[in-house]
Amino acid sequence: DSGVTQTPKHLITATGQRVTLRCSPRSGDLSVYWYQQSLDQGLQFLIQYYNGEERAKGNILERFSAQQFPDLHSELNLSSLELGDSALYFCASSVGASGGRLQETQYFGPGTRLLVL
Amino acid sequence: QKEVEQDPGPLSVPEGAIVSLNCTYSNSAFQYFMWYRQYSRKGPELLMYTYSSGNKEDGRFTAQVDKSSKYISLFIRDSQPSDSATYLCAFGPGTALIFGKGTTLSVSS
Repeated sequence: DSGVTQTPKHLITATGQRVTLRCSPRSGDLSVYWYQQSLDQGLQFLIQYYNGEERAKGNILERFSAQQFPDLHSELNLSSLELGDSALYFCASSVGASGGRLQETQYFGPGTRLLVL
Repeated sequence: QKEVEQDPGPLSVPEGAIVSLNCTYSNSAFQYFMWYRQYSRKGPELLMYTYSSGNKEDGRFTAQVDKSSKYISLFIRDSQPSDSATYLCAFGPGTALIFGKGTTLSVSS
């Protein structure tokens, strides 16, 4: 158990809908990262928050957004869902913020499996 | 040329075999090298983390990095059925880890 929690475990919804995925980082970790994992693309970085502030963006669609709250939990919001958004969504956390030559160890949660019908 | 290449497998071995998992990369800026293990329907779990070229051993697992060839390997000795999982190589530094697509390993008893 990594100490990172994610809810819900599974989510089934229809195209055009909006969902919210939740992540609680390990105790003491200030950074939260969101990744998407699909069979064809592998694990792809979406976005990072550090202590409540957006720190870096990856291949995140404009229909997707995230935030990190004062208690450091994070939510990933996916809107106008399409069939292609079906994937596993992982949250990871680290103590600090990677950048430059520094690489923080990232610990992953169990993921949310999203199925868009 | 892709930034990271990893043979997807699947790789099937009998219990007790030595397993070699490999990744090649093209980005010379990569200085951190990791291996994650992912069981079916679970999140990736960090197995090995290395910074420099050479070998790092942890129990039955050995991570090997060859920066000159841009090649990393994970060796599993005395493989067990519990080692059956997908193994992902990952690279840094960076905000985002760059992952290989994973090699699926099956160890039969």
